[in-house]
Amino acid sequence: SQTIHQWPATLVQPVGSPLSLECTVEGTSNPNLYWYRQAAGRGLQLLFYSVGIGQISSEVPQNLSASRPQDRQFILSSKKLLLSDSGFYLCAWSGPGQGAVGYTFGSGTRLTVV
Amino acid sequence: QQPVQSPQAVILREGEDAVINCSSSKALYSVHWYRQKHGEAPVFLMILLKGGEQKGHEKISASFNEKKQQSSLYLTASQLSYSGTYFCGTEAAGSGGSNYKLTFGKGTLLTVNP
Repeated sequence: SQTIHQWPATLVQPVGSPLSLECTVEGTSNPNLYWYRQAAGRGLQLLFYSVGIGQISSEVPQNLSASRPQDRQFILSSKKLLLSDSGFYLCAWSGPGQGAVGYTFGSGTRLTVV
Repeated sequence: QQPVQSPQAVILREGEDAVINCSSSKALYSVHWYRQKHGEAPVFLMILLKGGEQKGHEKISASFNEKKQQSSLYLTASQLSYSGTYFCGTEAAGSGGSNYKLTFGKGTLLTVNP
């Protein structure tokens, strides 16, 4: 069966510090991978998605970046965090190809920038 | 563009029914529905594809009217476990069902009381 792992679960970082959040998927090949951010009252905002190794599409211009160094690994990074980067970050995956399946989300990382 | 969900919040007594609506200003290929418990990741409930279909999941069902670009989620004989925030996610028509770029609404908070 497929599983998705996301870590860390919580993170408190000072403004200006770097960030690295990691997500891995097991039990599937060539998944579509996503990073979403959830702020209170604003639903889920798509940040990045990837359909293959090294293929990253950005939805929101900001100081965050994403990378996919391996088929089932997705990393969210920042060189310098801002206060506005605080939020609940969710990684998700879906099957490749036609969109007839739902997303499976990781357990999320609650990031607080202080 | 973000789909619009209504109502923003609803409070029920156990056993009552509820309807949550999701509408888009764009033509849609598919609509996803998810439920999120407080502090947890969203969990996939069902997906409805272009074609005006209707689906069910236990006592939770949904419909998709592609002409009106609207979907409704029906919760019948609600249980305490139904409490949470419900999100619709939409995939625009013309994407070929690639399942990328799922855009979520702001969510509907459902509270079921004993």
